[in-house]
Amino acid sequence: DAGITQSPRYKITETGRQVTLMCHQTWSHSYMFWYRQDLGHGLRLIYYSAAADITDKGEVPDGYVVSRSKTENFPLTLESATRSQTSVYFCASSSLDWTNNNEQFFGPGTRLTVL
Amino acid sequence: GQQLNQSPQSMFIQEGEDVSMNCTSSSIFNTWLWYKQEPGEGPVLLIALYKAGELTSNGRLTAQFGITRKDSFLNISASIPSDVGIYFCAGLIWNQGGKLIFGQGTELSVKP
Repeated sequence: DAGITQSPRYKITETGRQVTLMCHQTWSHSYMFWYRQDLGHGLRLIYYSAAADITDKGEVPDGYVVSRSKTENFPLTLESATRSQTSVYFCASSSLDWTNNNEQFFGPGTRLTVL
Repeated sequence: GQQLNQSPQSMFIQEGEDVSMNCTSSSIFNTWLWYKQEPGEGPVLLIALYKAGELTSNGRLTAQFGITRKDSFLNISASIPSDVGIYFCAGLIWNQGGKLIFGQGTELSVKP
């Protein structure tokens, strides 16, 4: 399917477990982003990537790890999940050509619950 | 860091009414984006603005990039029940690595 997809859409895990959220885009966008959305905090950037093998921290990176071995995939890993990481996670991508094509497009989200 | 102040936080209106919401900042932005998010879904891009003073429409939606580049507004004319959702503004600064700064959102409720 064309566009940006996330899997799983829903995940329940336990404290201390490792969890990986997947993000896949078919546009060959160079930039990809991970956000978390919590009540009262809006959308907060966790990590982003400007290209394959290039990643950088966002506003709230602690407890998360990312990788970008292929342009189309940008997995987010919670190495040891904590209850405070219960949230809705959104992946986004953008071509960002710095002129008139800076739109970010979002996936449908993954709702993660850490018990 | 940069912040966007989005207002109002919520609106309860009657079907057919016009709606206006805005975002302001102390920082200058190169791009303004407006998104709508419905329950259980990701934000969907409504309008993108790239030039100071630019006024862009998308159906019943109109958005403007402020002259000072520090603000933007979104208007919805003749609201309908399917306009319900949370509207977010987002600003982008070119030297910030492509990161968007998001407003806190305006929750819109439309009474039929």
